[in-house]
Amino acid sequence: DVKVTQSSRYLVKRTGEKVFLECVQDMDHENMFWYRQDPGLGLRLIYFSYDVKMKEKGDIPEGYSVSREKKERFSLILESASTNQTSMYLCASWHRTSSNNEQFFGPGTRLTVL
Amino acid sequence: AQSVAQPEDQVNVAEGNPLTVKCTYSVSGNPYLFWYVQYPNRGLQFLLKYITGDNLVKGSYGFEAEFNKSQTSFHLKKPSALVSDSALYFCAVRDTEYNFNKFYFGSGTKLNVKP
Repeated sequence: DVKVTQSSRYLVKRTGEKVFLECVQDMDHENMFWYRQDPGLGLRLIYFSYDVKMKEKGDIPEGYSVSREKKERFSLILESASTNQTSMYLCASWHRTSSNNEQFFGPGTRLTVL
Repeated sequence: AQSVAQPEDQVNVAEGNPLTVKCTYSVSGNPYLFWYVQYPNRGLQFLLKYITGDNLVKGSYGFEAEFNKSQTSFHLKKPSALVSDSALYFCAVRDTEYNFNKFYFGSGTKLNVKP
């Protein structure tokens, strides 16, 4: 089974702190994604990466950056956390030739910024 | 632009009754459509997909979905709901025209199945 893991389930940070969210997948997928999930808004794409060191902005990249130094790991960085970044963050991976063409999701990190 | 819409924030149904969770889509090109389920404090789990072929697709946990091209809909259905089906359901579409690596999700529908 594909496994996508996220470094923390719950995280509490203070305004202005630098925050790192880590995601690791074990199926050699080229594509990895970071979404944020907010009630009534569904999942919104922050950034995605289609290869090592490659990244592309999603729909809401402002205030975030990413890093993909190794194929299995995709990090989301909040350079200076703000209260409006309090949210659930979901990481996903995907391979276009997977049998169901679906994305595989991690369990999520619930981030609270005080 | 590619998008999906889930017009209902919440669906309530009694256990044993049929359920429908609605999804409409707007895409240019052929739609690749998906349903995912999210249980509390968990990530999303794949339920089923439509890419091509039969309009009625069957998925996990007894769920099925009907692709309707003329109505641009992809509604999720189950003949007999279980209390354990209570969860958040997301419809999604994969971009098959501009950026093949992008997926677009609906806002989610909370399904409540009452005993």
